[in-house]
Amino acid sequence: QVQLQESGPGLVKPSETLSLTCAVSGYSISSDTHWGWIRQPPGKGLECIGTIYHTGSTYYKPSLKSRVTISVDTSRNQLSLKLSSVTAADTAVYYCARDVRGGAMDVWGQGTTVTVSS
Amino acid sequence: QSALTQPASVSGSPGQSITISCTGTSSDVGVYNYVSWYQQHPGRAPKLMIYEVSNRPSGVSTRFSGSKSGNTASLTIYGLQAEDEAIYYCSSQRLSAPDYIIFGGGTKVTVL
Repeated sequence: QVQLQESGPGLVKPSETLSLTCAVSGYSISSDTHWGWIRQPPGKGLECIGTIYHTGSTYYKPSLKSRVTISVDTSRNQLSLKLSSVTAADTAVYYCARDVRGGAMDVWGQGTTVTVSS
Repeated sequence: QSALTQPASVSGSPGQSITISCTGTSSDVGVYNYVSWYQQHPGRAPKLMIYEVSNRPSGVSTRFSGSKSGNTASLTIYGLQAEDEAIYYCSSQRLSAPDYIIFGGGTKVTVL
């Protein structure tokens, strides 16, 4: 059974860097698959932050591109998200998900809440 | 403003059928058959209900059906049940960035 588990600080100060990891179990992160980070601000809809292919190629939401880095660590079978210069607008539940094909995200982590506040 | 347009809410009585629309453009929904639908209950992660316009993942009820016409995709729920009350999101790839996923704003389904 494929499982994803996000982890990271629940509170980040403004202007600092948000760092999250997503541990993947039951499936090799090196498989022919895309992986995505999606976030959901309180009371709002879903927003794709970016995706990464097993080869390491990435695509980021244009409005976040200058602040985002998504990477994979094949030795630990996990992916990571870094978002720099955060503001209150980055407060959200952050999810990682497996994209089996064409944006169909069939397995999601439970999500982790990140609050940006001093 | 979301990239894909969905109605804010749709409601129906138990046993009825409802349809949720998802309108995009000729650069996303209209050009790709990579439209997905997700169900999200409060406090839970989204669940994939439909992929590639009309395919159901294993374990998803046959009461859920997807289709597409032009730039608009649709999700129909047949025989509405209380547990179907949730927010539903559509998503699509975008022609200019095939590896990037755009979402609709979400539709709250209420079972009366």
